[in-house]
Amino acid sequence: GESVGLHLPTLSVQEGDNSIINCAYSNSASDYFIWYKQESGKGPQFIIDIRSNMDKRQGQRVTVLLNKTVKHLSLQIAATQPGDSAVYFCALRGETSGSRLTFGEGTQLTVNP
Amino acid sequence: NAGVTQTPKFRVLKTGQSMTLLCAQDMNHEYMYWYRQDPGMGLRLIHYSVGEGTTAKGEVPDGYNVSRLKKQNFLLGLESAAPSQTSVYFCASSYPGTYQGYGYTFGSGTRLTVV
Repeated sequence: GESVGLHLPTLSVQEGDNSIINCAYSNSASDYFIWYKQESGKGPQFIIDIRSNMDKRQGQRVTVLLNKTVKHLSLQIAATQPGDSAVYFCALRGETSGSRLTFGEGTQLTVNP
Repeated sequence: NAGVTQTPKFRVLKTGQSMTLLCAQDMNHEYMYWYRQDPGMGLRLIHYSVGEGTTAKGEVPDGYNVSRLKKQNFLLGLESAAPSQTSVYFCASSYPGTYQGYGYTFGSGTRLTVV
C-alpha cells in the first residue's frame, strides 16, 4: 500500500517570507497528489493538486512541485501571511486504492508577524 | 450551496452508549467517506461508499458501522462507544476518479469524547 510522510511536523516562518512544506511518498505508481489546508476547528480544504505527468503547477501564491524520481512532493507558499497559519496535509492516490486518497500526518505552519 | 454538512458538531458519550453521526452533501457526489483524525496520526479512513446502497471498510473499521440509503447522506454509527473512539470525525465526498481541481470536499468535523 501507499505510505506518506512529512519531513517536519512544524514550521515557523516570518510574515512575508516564502514557506516550503515537504512530503515524501513510497508508491512510485501514485498518479495524483493534493495539498490540503486545515485551520483550527475546521475540516481540510483543497489548495492545489497535480497529476503525475506534471512536475510543477501554480496557483495563487502557491506552487506544487513533484519529483517522481525521488518520490517527493512540496508546497511552496509565496509571501506567507498570518492567514496561512494552519496544518497542511499532502494526499495521494495510488494504483491499488481506486479513488481513495492516502493522507500524510500534516505540518503545522505558524506565521510570525 | 452548503457542501458537506456534519451533525452534531460536538458530543460526549459514556462508555457503552450508541450514537449516529450524520453527513449530508448537496454536490451530487457519488463517493462519500468517513475519517477519524487523532493527534500525530493524520486522517485514517473508517468506511467509505462508492454509491447509494454500497459501503466498504477502510483502514480502521472496527467498532463502526455505516449506511448509505440515500445518495446525499452517509451515516456513521457507534454501537457501543469506547474511550478509544474519542476523536474528531470528518466526512468527505467526491466524484469518481480524480478530476483536476476537485479532490475531496470535507465537512467541518464532529468532536466526539467518550468517557
